Amino acid sequence: DAGVTQSPTHLIKTRGQQVTLRCSPKSGHDTVSWYQQALGQGPQFIFQYYEEEERQRGNFPDRFSGHQFPNYSSELNVNALLLGDSALYLCASSTRSATEAFFGQGTRLTVV
Amino acid sequence: AQTVTQSQPEMSVQEAETVTLSCTYDTSESDYYLFWYKQPPSRQMILVIRQEAYKQQNATENRFSVNFQKAAKSFSLKISDSQLGDAAMYFCAYRQSSLLNAGNNRKLIWGLGTSLAVNP
Repeated sequence: DAGVTQSPTHLIKTRGQQVTLRCSPKSGHDTVSWYQQALGQGPQFIFQYYEEEERQRGNFPDRFSGHQFPNYSSELNVNALLLGDSALYLCASSTRSATEAFFGQGTRLTVV
Repeated sequence: AQTVTQSQPEMSVQEAETVTLSCTYDTSESDYYLFWYKQPPSRQMILVIRQEAYKQQNATENRFSVNFQKAAKSFSLKISDSQLGDAAMYFCAYRQSSLLNAGNNRKLIWGLGTSLAVNP
């Protein structure tokens, strides 16, 4: 079982650019959530996808968007990058009935 | 709104000793879940232990146990026989019960974390 996999592991982008982060959930999982973890902080919930729809959203601007594919994998897109978007982006997967979520190793995004 | 507070930014413990990490939370809900996650330098969040609010018995997983005080809204983690591999950031997290909101409110609300050092 490969667990939750995220790509890329590290990324450097310039302010104003756009970025796409990818997540493959653990086998058998159909729900994907994304979190932003700034340096020295706890993760902050961005949004959650289930059945290819955004089901719940945290307090993030519309520059943050996502998608879930029929195979349950997911993408996080961030437009018009700001320096403050620099963070570790974590993907978590679960089933609808499960209590806990399993996390990937994250994507470290640096905006310069 | 629910909040999670970890008041200890850093803790240290001697190898083989016991350490307790503190967590308090605020919620108006009666049914919810609480979690402790470990984040080593590899960055991956690893579930350490979970507690269902409706269960009075404290959860235990090998060397890890919790002291869940529902009325006080306190959820501390005790690590016994500490090992060098326990060194990491530890996060306390809250999640509303999926029995509410038709299972749609599954977001985790996190504390700021406690950095645990284990001294040989």
